[in-house]
Amino acid sequence: NAGVTQTPKFQVLKTGQSMTLQCAQDMNHEYMSWYRQDPGMGLRLIHYSVGAGITDQGEVPNGYNVSRSTTEDFPLRLLSAAPSQTSVYFCASSYMGRGELFFGEGSRLTVL
Amino acid sequence: RKEVEQDPGPFNVPEGATVAFNCTYSNSASQSFFWYRQDCRKEPKLLMSVYSSGNEDGRFTAQLNRASQYISLLIRDSKLSDSATYLCVVERQGGKLIFGQGTELSVKP
Repeated sequence: NAGVTQTPKFQVLKTGQSMTLQCAQDMNHEYMSWYRQDPGMGLRLIHYSVGAGITDQGEVPNGYNVSRSTTEDFPLRLLSAAPSQTSVYFCASSYMGRGELFFGEGSRLTVL
Repeated sequence: RKEVEQDPGPFNVPEGATVAFNCTYSNSASQSFFWYRQDCRKEPKLLMSVYSSGNEDGRFTAQLNRASQYISLLIRDSKLSDSATYLCVVERQGGKLIFGQGTELSVKP
């Protein structure tokens, strides 16, 4: 029972490089989301999706792109990494209206 | 001002103590409310939902006051294993879930 799978778990980038954080869930959840967590800031919502083909911005969307071509996958793209994007990123999913988010284990990203 | 605010703590309490966490939210259209627990460097996990009538799960009691836009979590008879960060979460219309910054709890022997 895989749940929510995030890859990679660790990544180091140089300023200006691009990368994609992958997120997949096998629970047929409609809702998927990406959060970043920084010390003292809690989890801040980057982007979210309520179903395939539908995405919307969260609290801190700048510098990130997402797409939702299937129910299972919700990748997060950094087009030109900046040191301010150094953070721990969590992908999470849930059934709509249920409120119980299931999280991946997190991806620790460092931008030099 | 953040949409969901919590006292960041840390709260340092002895085993057996009762501790209460507070959370306020600014969007009166918020629909559902939750408490999550996060252990160090791990992913958050749902602790309990918060209902208008209040709800209890063992040593944990959650309360919601919609008029004051306030949520609370009470932990009785604290255990060492309760040491973690407790996150207040608010669900807005359309399913968007917003987290508070978390309150750190450290239970000492």
